[in-house]
Amino acid sequence: SQQGEEDPQALSIQEGENATMNCSYKTSINNLQWYRQNSGRGLVHLILIRSNEREKHSGRLRVTLDTSKKSSSLLITASRAADTASYFCATPISNFGNEKLTFGTGTRLTIIP
Amino acid sequence: SAVISQKPSRDICQRGTSLTIQCQVDSQVTMMFWYRQQPGQSLTLIATANQGSEATYESGFVIDKFPISRPNLTFSTLTVSNMSPEDSSIYLCSVEGRGAYNEQFFGPGTRLTVL
Repeated sequence: SQQGEEDPQALSIQEGENATMNCSYKTSINNLQWYRQNSGRGLVHLILIRSNEREKHSGRLRVTLDTSKKSSSLLITASRAADTASYFCATPISNFGNEKLTFGTGTRLTIIP
Repeated sequence: SAVISQKPSRDICQRGTSLTIQCQVDSQVTMMFWYRQQPGQSLTLIATANQGSEATYESGFVIDKFPISRPNLTFSTLTVSNMSPEDSSIYLCSVEGRGAYNEQFFGPGTRLTVL
């Protein structure tokens, strides 16, 4: 299975602290994406990093990608209560010309006010 | 980005019945995806739906259990047939963005409970 593994499975931190989540995947990719899901609702696309990029920033988010180790990390700086959610990494797999995404196991982040 | 709506947002159904979930997109898209998210789990792709052709199902999912319609470029339905409690999940539809990479935009999901 291509499904990525994420760690930790759950993370609780104090508001204002930084949160780091890690994702590992199994095969070569051309990009890796991170999504957020609030309380069992739809997923929101956060950031995409291409295979030729090593680091990317978007607001309080910083994503790294190490293709040699097949791993990525998502850092959320200065966390807020509204960041409480589940975070998933996703990688594309070409399937007879129809690109599909496979999702990691997810990290459940809780920000303690 | 695309704006996607799903109906119903949630439902409680009896064992043995069927439920049809609707997915509406505010723009024309080629591919639509249907996912299942079992309680506390990640997303699993059920099938890919292209307008004008049969849906492509992933391993472990069959058309008789999850028939899909795609009558036009902005709409799709997923039916969960002959439901059992194991079908209790969140069902999500998504579409690809228009960029060069296949980021996806998701509907709000349908939370299904089967008694």
